[in-house]
Amino acid sequence: EPEVTQTPSHQVTQMGQEVILRCVPISNHLYFYWYRQILGQKVEFLVSFYNNEISEKSEIFDDQFSVERPDGSNFTLKIRSTKLEDSAMYFCASRLTGGRTGELFFGEGSRLTVL
Amino acid sequence: GDSVTQMEGPVTLSEEAFLTINCTYTATGYPSLFWYVQYPGEGLQLLLKATKADDKGSNKGFEATYRKETTSFHLEKGSVQVSDSAVYFCALDSSYKLIFGSGTRLLVRP
Repeated sequence: EPEVTQTPSHQVTQMGQEVILRCVPISNHLYFYWYRQILGQKVEFLVSFYNNEISEKSEIFDDQFSVERPDGSNFTLKIRSTKLEDSAMYFCASRLTGGRTGELFFGEGSRLTVL
Repeated sequence: GDSVTQMEGPVTLSEEAFLTINCTYTATGYPSLFWYVQYPGEGLQLLLKATKADDKGSNKGFEATYRKETTSFHLEKGSVQVSDSAVYFCALDSSYKLIFGSGTRLLVRP
């Protein structure tokens, strides 16, 4: 069964360092997302991406964040200068269609720990 | 803006007990509604969904009915198992993205 894969599963970094989280969405999907979940809290929308550009972003997704689809398969989230409060589980998701009934398929997440 | 409110957990039940996890929503229009489940150490998996009023989503013995009049989408299961222990998230589709509730942890004891 096709799945969304994320790497790394866990990354520890020092405050101020750049981090890149990688995702390989399901191959024929067209819409891509990043969400984050701070430990024990709700799953929060960060950004959606379609047709090689950001469709929507939340207030969390400030200038320190960027996304890219550098080739036909990868979808990356970059945090330019990490802060302690960026520590969270980051989930990538993809869906085939943008319609209201399309299921989002999630990866298993990348846990980011900022020290 | 659109939002989802879930009952706080944890919910602790004995095996074979009846489960209800409440979920209400606020939205413009008529969004699709979802329940996702997160097992320990894993990502989010779609459990069930409903796309219009009075639709009932069901999967693995879980059910939820889209109630427009009460803006609710409560999750139910008649007889829970230890393997159902997980965090359950209610979500709605808003402008081509999902908005999640805060999640409800379910613990099922043997």
